[in-house]
Amino acid sequence: DIVMTQSPLSLPVTPGEPASISCRSSQSLLHSSGYHFLDWYLQKPGQSPQLLIYFGSTRASGVPDRFSGSGSGTGFTLNISRVEAEDVGVYYCMQALHTPSFGQGTKVEIK
Amino acid sequence: QVQLVESGGGVVQPGRSLRLSCAASGFTFSNYAIHWVRQAPGKGLEWVAIIPHDGNNIHYADSVKGRFTISRDNSKNTLYLQMNSLRAEDTAVYHCAKCLSGGGWSSFDLWGQGTMVTVSS
Repeated sequence: DIVMTQSPLSLPVTPGEPASISCRSSQSLLHSSGYHFLDWYLQKPGQSPQLLIYFGSTRASGVPDRFSGSGSGTGFTLNISRVEAEDVGVYYCMQALHTPSFGQGTKVEIK
Repeated sequence: QVQLVESGGGVVQPGRSLRLSCAASGFTFSNYAIHWVRQAPGKGLEWVAIIPHDGNNIHYADSVKGRFTISRDNSKNTLYLQMNSLRAEDTAVYHCAKCLSGGGWSSFDLWGQGTMVTVSS
């Protein structure tokens, strides 16, 4: 099984400032198609998770362009260029290369 | 409206059974693989099972294998999860989640709001 490890697990942020979350996998997430099967989800308080980024760097429909994903192989990063108050919640990375597995989650809250 | 709506959760004693449903609307249900994902209270997300668009090549997490059965009725646009021999550690909110693709592994682009299952004596 592929183990996903996120850091940090808690991230206090200041509105207007950038934020970054890291995710590492226990094996490469590069598929034979050339895409990395790594997703980022945001679970806002009291809501279901929503897809932000797939294939490591492709924004899902309707996701603001302040969110971006990068990385390759076993190391990936979610960046928020300028945090807004509505971005609070728990962020999860997930690998979709084999049976899906999630990171522990990173709780983002306003300072 | 594109949505998934789960139902069937509740409080059940250890060892008993429960069947969850997930009703889909607003998209061609029969074209997509669907997953069950659960979240224990205050915990993270745990993948449970996948059923591809045609019902073949089903997979389960080791934690539920042999106890849970995923199925779908494409004529009713509905997904099911039959849960037998329930344990306290199965207590969680159960979400159904739609795949970007029809089979295999891919991202979850639509989630239901979830249904709570509590296993307790």
